[in-house]
Parts: sequence; C-alpha cells; structure tokens
Amino acid sequence: DTAVSQTPKYLVTQMGNDKSIKCEQNLGHDTMYWYKQDSKKFLKIMFSYNNKELIINETVPNRFSPKSPDKAHLNLHINSLELGDSAVYFCASSQGPTPVDTQYFGPGTRLTVL
Amino acid sequence: AQSVTQLDSQVPVFEEAPVELRCNYSSSVSVYLFWYVQYPNQGLQLLLKYLSGSTLVESINGFEAEFNKSQTSFHLRKPSVHISDTAEYFCAVSEAGANNLFFGTGTRLTVIP
Repeated sequence: DTAVSQTPKYLVTQMGNDKSIKCEQNLGHDTMYWYKQDSKKFLKIMFSYNNKELIINETVPNRFSPKSPDKAHLNLHINSLELGDSAVYFCASSQGPTPVDTQYFGPGTRLTVL
Repeated sequence: AQSVTQLDSQVPVFEEAPVELRCNYSSSVSVYLFWYVQYPNQGLQLLLKYLSGSTLVESINGFEAEFNKSQTSFHLRKPSVHISDTAEYFCAVSEAGANNLFFGTGTRLTVIP
C-alpha cells in the first residue's frame, strides 16, 4: 500500500539512449510533480501537473517530456540521455497545486548515464 | 528571487544531546516554510511547516522550528535526539501565492550512540 511509487528504482544506461521513469500515486491527489536531485543533493522541481494539465515547467531541456495519462500517473520520458542527466529523480503528489498542500514523495529513481 | 541556505551539510551529535539544524531564506514577500526529512533509501516526508499564525511549529516526533522574520530563519531543533533521527533534513520555502517549493541542499544529521 505504497502511497507514491516509482519504477525502476535504479536505471543504468548509455549516453544517447531514451528511457522512461514511471510514477503512480494511490492517494487520490490531483497534483503530481517531478524533481531532480543532483550529486550535491540539490533538489529542484522540473514539472508539475494538476488534473493532468501542466502547470509548472521549469527550465528543463526539451529532451525531458512528462506525460500524465490520468491523475494517478505521471511518467517522465528522457530522450538522448547525457552524462549530466545522472541524478536521482523524485516523483511527488499533493492534494492541490499550492505549496500549502503537503507533498508526498516517492522513493526516487537513481539514473546513471555512462 | 527566493532561495534557501542550509549552512551545515553534516551535523554529528551524540544520542540524547540537543541539536539545531540551521535554515535561512531570502525573499521579498511573505513566505511559507517547511522542513522535510529523508530517511535512508526513502523519499522525502514532511516534518513540519509554517504557514501563518504562531511562529513556533512542532512535529509529532519532538522536533520544532521557529519562524524568525527579522533574521529570515527557520531553524529546526530537538532537545534530545534518538538514533532513529539519523537522516537528511531539507528546508524549503515558497512565496505566498506561488506554486513552487525551493529546497535547500540538505543537512545530514548523524546520531552517534
């Protein structure tokens, strides 16, 4: 009965490949997020969806494309992977789109690009 | 622009000793402030938050933080730590009316038996 789950937990791939990370929440929340945590532990928001609509799109290369098939899922597809994409990617969800709504995080996906 | 600074990247402390994890923010408008905790191999969990009202906020496991507007700080404290408090602690800020949360770089608290 995990609240926010991500797959895979670890992802090792070569430069230039395309990969996807999946996220699912069973909390009934309307809003979902993707964050990137770099090697220095700096955590930065990438995207946010509310009711399947994109509401936050930070300065992220267009090689990154989020997709929300329904309110419970927010997947992240990355094209032409680069060394600098190596990081831990966290999915999160909240009842609403404002910071007043508590965000619940998944366990993270550690992406390593070789 | 808003930002968060956690000056201490690592804080070792003996079990049952008090601890303070420092957090300073910069913003020109009203803010909401948060502390999140990340236990090993897990995602972040909200520990406590300040939205308005009393400047002292508490969590269910004995942590507290005080919003100090004049010093733009939101330090996290616990009078007596346990081994189970070993984790990474992240301070975060959001400007009132904004959608984004901005996180600090985290402080690793290690409780020594």
